[in-house]
Amino acid sequence: DQQVKQNSPSLSVQEGRISILNCDYTNSMFDYFLWYKKYPAEGPTFLISISSIKDKNEDGRFTVFLNKSAKHLSLHIVPSQPGDSAVYFCAAPSGGGADGLTFGKGTHLIIQP
Amino acid sequence: DTAVSQTPKYLVTQMGNDKSIKCEQNLGHDTMYWYKQDSKKFLKIMFSYNNKELIINETVPNRFSPKSPDKAHLNLHINSLELGDSAVYFCASSQVSYTGELFFGEGSRLTVL
Repeated sequence: DQQVKQNSPSLSVQEGRISILNCDYTNSMFDYFLWYKKYPAEGPTFLISISSIKDKNEDGRFTVFLNKSAKHLSLHIVPSQPGDSAVYFCAAPSGGGADGLTFGKGTHLIIQP
Repeated sequence: DTAVSQTPKYLVTQMGNDKSIKCEQNLGHDTMYWYKQDSKKFLKIMFSYNNKELIINETVPNRFSPKSPDKAHLNLHINSLELGDSAVYFCASSQVSYTGELFFGEGSRLTVL
């Protein structure tokens, strides 16, 4: 049972435009969310996060929006750059402590020149 | 200086063999993990260790045995390898915290022939 869902396996966006990656979750106990970015043959790296007490968190070109009532979050990248081409994972702490993170399946973002 | 390093990066072996993957972190974290990314690209937790103590052991066959000689190292030994064990195995570490942020190694791609 997937508690974190990313329903778009891939997304293609033109360079300079906005990229919007979506994530849905089913566990209403989740109160913190993270986005990770992964290049081929590398490990995932932390990108940005948001606490459930906020509905938006911004860091440079990256903004994450959280809609708790819809159990939905999205990552906006603007403007999109070629180096943004990667797989993006949405994640939430599984239970705190040493329980690790529960990940979505990832969305492969392709930035076209 | 790599924060979380795992070796080997690539491993090709025959069914029935035994193999190990080593992981070391120099971040001073107290918790380490093994995650598996299978052909469907899901990142799933296998084990977590906190200060050398096993915390999480997901439904992983007992052919997989983690060993933590100290809190900076978490190795994964796999006995009697099967075709279905082919995957990318990621080591990660974290401080036990509310946010659950993980720091990942580069991954070890295991191919069982």
